[in-house]
Amino acid sequence: QKEVEQDPGPLSVPEGAIVSLNCTYSNSAFQYFMWYRQYSRKGPELLMYTYSSGNKEDGRFTAQVDKSSKYISLFIRDSQPSDSATYLCAMSDFVDSSYKLIFGSGTRLLVRP
Amino acid sequence: DAGITQSPRYKITETGRQVTLMCHQTWSHSYMFWYRQDLGHGLRLIYYSAAADITDKGEVPDGYVVSRSKTENFPLTLESATRSQTSVYFCASSLRGAQETQYFGPGTRLLVL
Repeated sequence: QKEVEQDPGPLSVPEGAIVSLNCTYSNSAFQYFMWYRQYSRKGPELLMYTYSSGNKEDGRFTAQVDKSSKYISLFIRDSQPSDSATYLCAMSDFVDSSYKLIFGSGTRLLVRP
Repeated sequence: DAGITQSPRYKITETGRQVTLMCHQTWSHSYMFWYRQDLGHGLRLIYYSAAADITDKGEVPDGYVVSRSKTENFPLTLESATRSQTSVYFCASSLRGAQETQYFGPGTRLLVL
């Protein structure tokens, strides 16, 4: 079993829809939770960053962490075709005197005009 | 231009050959990372470095060698390339560790024949 599970999709939605992307994890020691966005043939870029449980909002994006359920989500409101990308969740744990980042396998999102 | 760059962007090689992928960052970040990205596996950490002359193994280090004689450079060498090393390789850097924002390069697509 992988430490971080993420549905690979693809997820296809019409423009303007609310998108929900999710990851589950097994390691209760994870402290930092991130969402990276990766456009085709590009490197990932950080989209959202949260520490511990709770919600964080940034424009059309909301990141949610539920540590009790070991579940994180990314919501995209009023989705746009420019949101079409692969979304990678990532989580950080302190192991062997340094932090390690573990990535989910990514969910491909397609927003249809 | 400031940022993180990788070279070459595309590489085709043959089994058994040595290949070196280059990574250069201009931010003076302490930490640098090498990941490989494969379908179904997401990003997996190969090696990382906390500072010049300090490197450590990640999740999938076998068959790879790294060095970091200067803060800004972090080359990755495949000593004897195998077909299983066909992948997209990403270099990343962060200021103080994996728990912070990582800035990714554009990637190197490597095909081992």
